[in-house]
Amino acid sequence: TQLLEQSPQFLSIQEGENLTVYCNSSSVFSSLQWYRQEPGEGPVLLVTVVTGGEVKKLKRLTFQFGDARKDSSLHITAAQPGDTGLYLCAGAQWGSQGNLIFGKGTKLSVKP
Amino acid sequence: DAGVTQSPTHLIKTRGQHVTLRCSPISGHKSVSWYQQVLGQGPQFIFQYYEKEERGRGNFPDRFSARQFPNYSSELNVNALLLGDSALYLCASSSTAQRGSYNSPLHFGNGTRLTVT
Repeated sequence: TQLLEQSPQFLSIQEGENLTVYCNSSSVFSSLQWYRQEPGEGPVLLVTVVTGGEVKKLKRLTFQFGDARKDSSLHITAAQPGDTGLYLCAGAQWGSQGNLIFGKGTKLSVKP
Repeated sequence: DAGVTQSPTHLIKTRGQHVTLRCSPISGHKSVSWYQQVLGQGPQFIFQYYEKEERGRGNFPDRFSARQFPNYSSELNVNALLLGDSALYLCASSSTAQRGSYNSPLHFGNGTRLTVT
C-alpha cells in the first residue's frame, strides 16, 4: 500500500507556465519533506514543513502542509527548464523508526 | 566539503551472487540510512544506523544486512541476489538520528546502480 500518493505522475509544460504537484495520504505525518532528483543523482532536499497549515516559499516554489498534516502541495510559478526533474514528497511519522516514507514522485519536464 | 560518497557507481551481478555497497557520510554526520529506489518508484527505506547501532529496519528480507564502522562509513550487503533486487541503492547521512517526531535533513549520495541478470 502506497501511503503517500503523488499526482500527477508526469507533467510536461512550456516555460513560463505555472503548475501544482500534490501529495496526499490518509495517514498523519509529523513532518513532510520535498526533494528534487535529477537523472543519475540522489534526491536533494528542497524544504521541510512541520506545522499544519504551514506555507514556505523558496524563490518561485511555494510549499504548503495541510491543516490535518495529511497532505501537501508544491506550486511552481513561471516554470523554467532548470526546474525539470523528479519531485518527491516524503513523510515522517511519530513513533516510527525514523525512516521517511516516499511517494512515487512527479516527473516534471519544462520545455523552452 | 565532500558530500555523501557511494561506491561503486554501477554494478552488474548474476542471480544468486552476493554484493557489498559502500557509503561514506558527510564529515561529522553520525547517522547513515539506506534506501532502495526501483525504476519509476520513490525510495524505500532499508536500514538506519546511528553511532554504529541499527536504529531502524524496513520491510526487506534477511538477505539484506548492513553495518556501520567506527568512522561512520557504512556497508550494505545483499546475499542471494534476485532479479528484483535491480535498483538504485541510495545512502543518506544526517547529523542526528532520524526519529519519528523530528528528522534532521537527509543528505543523499548519487547512489549505486545495481543490475542483476
